[in-house]
Amino acid sequence: AQKVTQAQTEISVVEKEDVTLDCVYETRDTTYYLFWYKQPPSGELVFLIRRNSFDEQNEISGRYSWNFQKSTSSFNFTITASQVVDSAVYFCALTAGETGGFKTIFGAGTRLFVKA
Amino acid sequence: DADVTQTPRNRITKTGKRIMLECSQTKGHDRMYWYRQDPGLGLRLIYYSFDVKDINKGEISDGYSVSRQAQAKFSLSLESAIPNQTALYFCATSDPAGGGFYEQYFGPGTRLTVT
Repeated sequence: AQKVTQAQTEISVVEKEDVTLDCVYETRDTTYYLFWYKQPPSGELVFLIRRNSFDEQNEISGRYSWNFQKSTSSFNFTITASQVVDSAVYFCALTAGETGGFKTIFGAGTRLFVKA
Repeated sequence: DADVTQTPRNRITKTGKRIMLECSQTKGHDRMYWYRQDPGLGLRLIYYSFDVKDINKGEISDGYSVSRQAQAKFSLSLESAIPNQTALYFCATSDPAGGGFYEQYFGPGTRLTVT
């Protein structure tokens, strides 16, 4: 069975602090993709990144970076020098292959508060 | 205009009523999905459709039904609404070119309250 765990329910930081959001996943498929989505207070869901199971390279996009480690089944998301606009709920998600039926499983989300 | 639209955006209905939530997309994607979001539970898949003739149950399909009227339209129905169906509902699409693995594009959501 597929599972995504975001153990941090809420995180509160002060602006300019770095913050890491954890994501641990479970799947028996060898082919799968991992995603992060952002849900700002306005409610829409915004895609941030996609990473496939064969590419463990870390990725950096501006203040955002992602660390994918298959050995620990983790796909963590770091925001450097956080800003108030980063306040949102962040979801990690997994789409697995054959045994997963290509369905996407979402974690419960981590609510990030960035205080000025 | 938004690529994925949902109507209505907000709805309050009474227990036992039938209600339909509609989703339309202009992205040309074959794959469409319905999710519900509850606080602390993330998004849970209700139904998904990989093309007009292919509809599949997700993890929480009981009490819901869907209709895929066209490639661009995917409707979710609650035949007899109950209070624990109060939630935020999202429609999403994805590009089949990714073999089922590509990211999803979400509509703005429908906030449904069942009293």
